Amino acid sequence: DAKTTQPNSMESNEEEPVHLPCNHSTISGTDYIHWYRQLPSQGPEYVIHGLTSNVNNRMASLAIAEDRKSSTLILHRATLRDAAVYYCILQTGNQFYFGTGTSLTVIP
Amino acid sequence: DGGITQSPKYLFRKEGQNVTLSCEQNLNHDAMYWYRQDPGQGLRLIYYSQIVNDFQKGDIAEGYSVSREKKESFPLTVTSAQKNPTAFYLCASSTGGSFNQPQHFGDGTRLSIL
Repeated sequence: DAKTTQPNSMESNEEEPVHLPCNHSTISGTDYIHWYRQLPSQGPEYVIHGLTSNVNNRMASLAIAEDRKSSTLILHRATLRDAAVYYCILQTGNQFYFGTGTSLTVIP
Repeated sequence: DGGITQSPKYLFRKEGQNVTLSCEQNLNHDAMYWYRQDPGQGLRLIYYSQIVNDFQKGDIAEGYSVSREKKESFPLTVTSAQKNPTAFYLCASSTGGSFNQPQHFGDGTRLSIL
């Protein structure tokens, strides 16, 4: 059973904000939430990660629900370069658990 | 530039053969990982190593073997015992030995059966 659930695909207009949701209802207190993105035939690229508090970096923001059963990756202004598959990952102990990801299409 | 180099990019294997995938990093990272990705799926952990001369099995280690003789190198051997080896293989590394740290990935090796 997948530890994270994401929509298969989403679309966004260029220069608009994008909110990518993820459900992880079985998360435990010590599990970290990671987000990576992947282009075809390339390795995943780190985006952001967090435990309990919301996190910001130059690429994105991560909003974590108070009960930690869901999170949202926020891209503040989508560009064409942001088109990729975005993976929400649960880190349990020493293991990363990938879901099937959300394919983001950015419309010019 | 610092990074992770995987070679070859494409690899073909005959039935009953073992093949070795190379992974080299010059990031001075202690931890290294091997993942397998099947079409339309996320990544699954095969093996990881947090320090030289030590490694641990991931979720799908059967049919695979690894070694970690040098900090920079973490080769993966796909043995003939792996009955469905066709997949995209990704190597990653991170600082320290904690999965909490971001992982840096190579560009992968695509393995196919002849």
